[in-house]
Amino acid sequence: QVHLVESGGGVVQPGGSLRLSCAASGFTFSSYGIHWVRQAPGKGLEWVAFIRYDGINEYYADSVKGRFTISRDNSKNTLYLQMNSLRVEDTAVYYCAPQGESGYDFGVYWGQGTLVTVSS
Amino acid sequence: QSALTQPASVSGSPGQSITISCTGTSSDVGGYNYVSWFQQHPGKAPKLIIYDVTERPSGVSNRFSGSKSGDTASLTISGLQAEDGADYYCSSFTSSDTWVFGGGTELTVL
Repeated sequence: QVHLVESGGGVVQPGGSLRLSCAASGFTFSSYGIHWVRQAPGKGLEWVAFIRYDGINEYYADSVKGRFTISRDNSKNTLYLQMNSLRVEDTAVYYCAPQGESGYDFGVYWGQGTLVTVSS
Repeated sequence: QSALTQPASVSGSPGQSITISCTGTSSDVGGYNYVSWFQQHPGKAPKLIIYDVTERPSGVSNRFSGSKSGDTASLTISGLQAEDGADYYCSSFTSSDTWVFGGGTELTVL
């Protein structure tokens, strides 16, 4: 049974940093790319970043490029999102979601999300 | 990376069929058969209901179907049921090796 647990969210001031984690179990973590997706309060879904199964390639939304870094530790079955230079508009629930079987889909499995609040 | 365009809201009566559109460009929806649809109830994580334009994940009702013509993808829900009332989002792979979501559509079952 696939289980994803995001953690690391909290309240941070603008310009600050946070590192989110996504602990995975129930599947061969090292065989799947993983996405981060966020949702601001009362707003729609926004794709944030993707990392290949082997961690070699990373892809980012323009809104976070240069500020966020996605990484993974396959020995710990854990995905990370290092968020620097945080802005008020980064306030959102952050979800991790493994890629699907086609390689270009995702979202069969989601964690419960972790809330990041950027506020002074 | 402009968001895909969806209607803000649609509505239908129980038993009816509704269609939600998702318009992009040749760099995303029109260029790849990698369009997905998600259903999200308030306070819940999204649920994948369609991937690769037309495919349904295991366990998803066959009342949900997807299609694409040119730069516009569509989600059709037939035999509307009260529990179908939710927000629906489309997403697509893009030529920049990124993904993009639509703005979301609120479905009201009358």
